[in-house]
Amino acid sequence: DAKTTQPNSMESNEEEPVHLPCNHSTISGTDYIHWYRQLPSQGPEYVIHGLTSNVNNRMASLAIAEDRKSSTLILHRATLRDAAVYYCILRGSGGSQGNLIFGKGTKLSVKP
Amino acid sequence: EAGVAQSPRYKIIEKRQSVAFWCNPISGHATLYWYQQILGQGPKLLIQFQNNGVVDDSQLPKDRFSAERLKGVDSTLKIQPAKLEDSAVYLCASSAQGQGWGTDTQYFGPGTRLTVL
Repeated sequence: DAKTTQPNSMESNEEEPVHLPCNHSTISGTDYIHWYRQLPSQGPEYVIHGLTSNVNNRMASLAIAEDRKSSTLILHRATLRDAAVYYCILRGSGGSQGNLIFGKGTKLSVKP
Repeated sequence: EAGVAQSPRYKIIEKRQSVAFWCNPISGHATLYWYQQILGQGPKLLIQFQNNGVVDDSQLPKDRFSAERLKGVDSTLKIQPAKLEDSAVYLCASSAQGQGWGTDTQYFGPGTRLTVL
């Protein structure tokens, strides 16, 4: 079972920032927080990951709460191409704990 | 860099028939994964290979599903015989490192959409 909780769906307007929340209250000290997204009719693609500190890359930013029990994926300016299902996943290290276990994710709709 | 290739993209069969899917991972990637994604759900791991050895097949329905990765490169996933509930998208992914690494990135192919009638 997925160890994260995400809203089923969210809406955003094009060119506005989007904050996608994820709760993971049972996170362990060695769990990494990963985000993947799945565009329609495509396989999932990696977005970003972090452990304790906030992270930025060309696609998005990841803000991690100080107690690590929640995190937020930030898309700074949503485009129509960002409409996808976003998955927040905890990954441990060692054996099957490093596997990706997908929940249902958050379906993001972007309005022009 | 070429991505993960899968074929066919679509397949329609009748129940009790057999079907096979093919995956070519990113060159040099040691780890290969097969996932099943039922409509409206997230992908579920079926089997994981490290080079040509199986490291996790705990969720593979072994009475009807089989997979192999000959020579540690390409892989095939077979269903024999298919059931109605096998209708899903079958995704292949690869990563450079694999089991035990919490930071390696998995790269997914476009998937094969299977419809069982």
